[in-house]
Amino acid sequence: RKEVEQDPGPFNVPEGATVAFNCTYSNSASQSFFWYRQDCRKEPKLLMSVYSSGNEDGRFTAQLNRASQYISLLIRDSKLSDSATYLCVVNTWEEYGNKLVFGAGTILRVKS
Amino acid sequence: GAVVSQHPSWVICKSGTSVKIECRSLDFQATTMFWYRQFPKQSLMLMATSNEGSKATYEQGVEKDKFLINHASLTLSTLTVTSAHPEDSSFYICSASATGTGTTFGSGTRLTVV
Repeated sequence: RKEVEQDPGPFNVPEGATVAFNCTYSNSASQSFFWYRQDCRKEPKLLMSVYSSGNEDGRFTAQLNRASQYISLLIRDSKLSDSATYLCVVNTWEEYGNKLVFGAGTILRVKS
Repeated sequence: GAVVSQHPSWVICKSGTSVKIECRSLDFQATTMFWYRQFPKQSLMLMATSNEGSKATYEQGVEKDKFLINHASLTLSTLTVTSAHPEDSSFYICSASATGTGTTFGSGTRLTVV
């Protein structure tokens, strides 16, 4: 079983749509959680951290359920510029330091 | 904000040669640097973690003699792909972290071995 699992998509949605991505992780000792965005052939960029209380940043809302080991990302009012791959990322403390584990990513395509 | 510079951004080399990739933290001292590899349509896979002044810790399945990592200073880590083969062609990305700065990624290096 992969440490971080995501639906690869692609999710093809029209502009203005609301879309939700899910992610599950297997290591219950994981400590922090993130959503990254990766454009084609570019490095990942941090979109937002994810907290148990849920957090919102503009059109983006992230949620964490530690009991279910489940993370979600909701994008409202999708824009063409939101088209990218969204990576669910889990941070675990290893004896030699922190370790980021990436999901394979969910592809989002927003169309006009 | 924290900036990580990775160089070169792309490189083409002949099979059997070695390639060195540099990763520099420009405005902070990175206590830890990470090297990842990403094959097309796949996730970033951590290759190794390096702390300044100590040997890198390699992930299972990554050959330490093939992927040489040097982290001689708090602002520079290098990854050398030795005796590169076409199957080593990939997108290599470094990241650096320090207390208070989180994790910052370099812009990546696209390696093509012909």
